[in-house]
Amino acid sequence: QVQVVESGGGVVQPGGSLRLSCAASGFSFSNYGMHWVRQAPGKGLEWVAFIRKDENKKEYAESVKGRCTISRDNSKKMVFLEVNNLETEDTAVYYCVKDDPVFSLWGQGTLVTVSS
Amino acid sequence: DIQMTQSPSTLSASIGDRVTITCRASQTVFRYLAWYQQKPGKAPKLLIHTASSLESGVPSRFSGSGSGTEFTLTISSLQPDDFATYYCQHFYNFPWTFGQGTKVEL
Repeated sequence: QVQVVESGGGVVQPGGSLRLSCAASGFSFSNYGMHWVRQAPGKGLEWVAFIRKDENKKEYAESVKGRCTISRDNSKKMVFLEVNNLETEDTAVYYCVKDDPVFSLWGQGTLVTVSS
Repeated sequence: DIQMTQSPSTLSASIGDRVTITCRASQTVFRYLAWYQQKPGKAPKLLIHTASSLESGVPSRFSGSGSGTEFTLTISSLQPDDFATYYCQHFYNFPWTFGQGTKVEL
């Protein structure tokens, strides 16, 4: 089955860190770039980060630049997003998305809540 | 960064209506424009890519048009399953940005 499944969300205190994971299956993972997109409660969609299939290109939204690191392990068919110095504004559902090059395959999302 | 602006923000419509949503880019994105549908609690679903190409499996009542800075998503005859929020998104350069969304309601 072609899918991506996110994990790693939870409740984190402001200033804390979190590492989100995304497991891909059913497609040739190493041939595709991957993105993270987030959605704050009741708000719109915000693109967060991108990693090229060979990891040689990474891009970040200005809102997370310097606090976020995207990485991947092609041997395990996984992509990761590490977010540091979390702020309340980072509270959102984080989606892992296949680059096709548009967003044709989304996961179900993992909720990150930043709260004291 | 390229800003994407959708109008209207909310649209009230009835079954069978023809519905049009507009998306404007702050600078040209050529035809690097996609449309998504999102229902509450669900991930977005790709409807249209490259401005007017219908994604496989998407009903033909959905269509997209435009290029440069002006784009439209049209639903030719609104069905009960179409009540949702719709987003445009450009993929011309980074950062890829979304419009703020258009909620289609009864």
